[in-house]
Amino acid sequence: AQKITQTQPGMFVQEKEAVTLDCTYDTSDPSYGLFWYKQPSSGEMIFLIYQGSYDQQNATEGRYSLNFQKARKSANLVISASQLGDSAMYFCAMREEQTGANNLFFGTGTRLTVIP
Amino acid sequence: KAGVTQTPRYLIKTRGQQVTLSCSPISGHRSVSWYQQTPGQGLQFLFEYFSETQRNKGNFPGRFSGRQFSNSRSEMNVSTLELGDSALYLCASSPTTRDTQYFGPGTRLTVL
Repeated sequence: AQKITQTQPGMFVQEKEAVTLDCTYDTSDPSYGLFWYKQPSSGEMIFLIYQGSYDQQNATEGRYSLNFQKARKSANLVISASQLGDSAMYFCAMREEQTGANNLFFGTGTRLTVIP
Repeated sequence: KAGVTQTPRYLIKTRGQQVTLSCSPISGHRSVSWYQQTPGQGLQFLFEYFSETQRNKGNFPGRFSGRQFSNSRSEMNVSTLELGDSALYLCASSPTTRDTQYFGPGTRLTVL
């Protein structure tokens, strides 16, 4: 079974509007971390935001916030006030922490296009 | 602080050859992980090193190998290249094995 599911292959958003990118996950590990990365066309993966499974509050980093709904196993990324530079691929990833391994499981990504 | 650097950035090889990719982590980071990204399979974990020891390995054939040096720099090697090895190879580093991973720009390998 897929550990990370991103159901939106592509999304469009008007500049200055907010957009939500969906991510659901599947794990039996009670301790895990959820990450979002941005990948521009240059290829480099840029870390955006992290949410731990035991964190009580949703993570926020500037214009990025993570809508964490543990019971639904979802970790959606919200980008507020979209900018043209936000156009990129966005990947949701998970690390299962009980195993002690540091590897990330990635979703298939969502291509976000910001329209002027 | 300088980010993760990977060399070379682009590489073209032919089937049957071998290749070595290099990764220099962020200063002070001791954990290095490698990932392969292809259009068909997406991002897949290759292996993870910490203090010169391989801690974890993904589901890849033995043609894929790696190592980490005492200065935390890491190399990965792919022997007997196949067309399907064409991919973007990404290296990521973190201070320890429990921290956020920061990625380099990747090495784009093309196998002809």
